[in-house]
Amino acid sequence: DVKVTQSSRYLVKRTGEKVFLECVQDMDHENMFWYRQDPGLGLRLIYFSYDVKMKEKGDIPEGYSVSREKKERFSLILESASTNQTSMYLCASSIPLLTGGDGYTFGSGTRLTVV
Amino acid sequence: DQQVKQNSPSLSVQEGRISILNCDYTNSMFDYFLWYKKYPAEGPTFLISISSIKDKNEDGRFTVFLNKSAKHLSLHIVPSQPGDSAVYFCAGLKTGANNLFFGTGTRLTVIP
Repeated sequence: DVKVTQSSRYLVKRTGEKVFLECVQDMDHENMFWYRQDPGLGLRLIYFSYDVKMKEKGDIPEGYSVSREKKERFSLILESASTNQTSMYLCASSIPLLTGGDGYTFGSGTRLTVV
Repeated sequence: DQQVKQNSPSLSVQEGRISILNCDYTNSMFDYFLWYKKYPAEGPTFLISISSIKDKNEDGRFTVFLNKSAKHLSLHIVPSQPGDSAVYFCAGLKTGANNLFFGTGTRLTVIP
C-alpha cells in the first residue's frame, strides 16, 4: 500500500559530491514537493512541481535543483553537497488545487548525512 | 515569514491525561487546517483536519478546535497514550491553492 516511495532511507555522502534523491508516487498526482526537516525549523519547502517539466522554487532552493521528466517521478539534486545540507528530506504529492481532504501524502523520508 | 506558528517546540504529558497542542496563523485567507503526525525516520501522516466553517472536529481521541477570530487552533488528545509520542505539525490552506503552509512542529512526549 506504499504510495510515495523515496529510494533511500539513509544516505551518507562526501562534501562536494553530486547527490540524487529520488521520489516516485503511484497515485497519479499532479503536484509533487520536496521538503527538508530540521529540528526547530519544521518543514521547509525546497522545490515543488505542478506538472511534468514544471518546477517552482520554494523557500530554500539554494544549492538544490529538481527534475520532473515523468509525472510519477520527482528528483531532488544537490549539485555539490555541503555539510549544512545534512537533514531529513521528505517528498510529498497531492492533487492540484486542494479543497480539503488529507492534503499531502508524504514519503518515508531520506536521512542524508554529508561528511 | 512564518504564516503558521507553533510556539511550543515540546510538550510532555502523563499517560491518560490530556495533551493540548497549539497553533496560530497569520493568513486570514486560510480556510482549511490540517494536523500531521510524524514519527522519527518516517514521513508525516495525516491526522485530522477542520474547515473554517466549523469550530470543532472530532475523531476518536483527537479533537481539533478552531477560533477564527483569534486565528488559533488547538489539537486535543484524550486520553494520551505513549504511542502518541511524535512530532505534530499543523498546516494551513487556502482552498483552491496548491500549497500547504506548515508550522515548525511540537514534539509530544507521553510518559507512561
